[in-house]
Amino acid sequence: GQQLNQSPQSMFIQEGEDVSMNCTSSSIFNTWLWYKQEPGEGPVLLIALYKAGELTSNGRLTAQFGITRKDSFLNISASIPSDVGIYFCAGQLPTNAGKSTFGDGTTLTVKP
Amino acid sequence: NAGVTQTPKFRVLKTGQSMTLLCAQDMNHEYMYWYRQDPGMGLRLIHYSVGEGTTAKGEVPDGYNVSRLKKQNFLLGLESAAPSQTSVYFCASSYASGIAYGYTFGSGTRLTVV
Repeated sequence: GQQLNQSPQSMFIQEGEDVSMNCTSSSIFNTWLWYKQEPGEGPVLLIALYKAGELTSNGRLTAQFGITRKDSFLNISASIPSDVGIYFCAGQLPTNAGKSTFGDGTTLTVKP
Repeated sequence: NAGVTQTPKFRVLKTGQSMTLLCAQDMNHEYMYWYRQDPGMGLRLIHYSVGEGTTAKGEVPDGYNVSRLKKQNFLLGLESAAPSQTSVYFCASSYASGIAYGYTFGSGTRLTVV
């Protein structure tokens, strides 16, 4: 089946630093999604990408849909303490009953 | 507020006991999903439904059953709980569309089987 490799597994950074994380797949996806999960809550959708090469921003977050359609990147600029959480990538195909394949997550810790 | 509601939020079961987790959404979403989340293993799909009266197996369906008698509700049942089913369970829903809009997740049910 499809598998997503998300890296890094965890990050410990200082407040104000920029963050980069990525997701790679053995298969092509038509949609890439990025979620954030805060402690004790379910994941919340941050950004959705629908086209190869697409670059989309949401505040300090920027995500890109890789040209090969097998990867995606998420960048967070000028991190703040409330950025703490687990970030998940997910890939989706249009004919797959809406099922997403999730990466294992990147745990982000921001030190004030 | 509109969204996905899961009940209960916490539960402790003894091995062999049964229970049902309830998921309710008020967004008129066609698709609903049950995931389990374990440390270091991300989110794994247990069962899903593409509409009222339909269900299908996901990646890790063994030991679980589901029902979708009403469009807004998706029930996850454990007939005979085992310690390996200790996990955090998330329900999610989404629109049925050729373009993915992403999932709306509930806040989870933390289940411990002793």
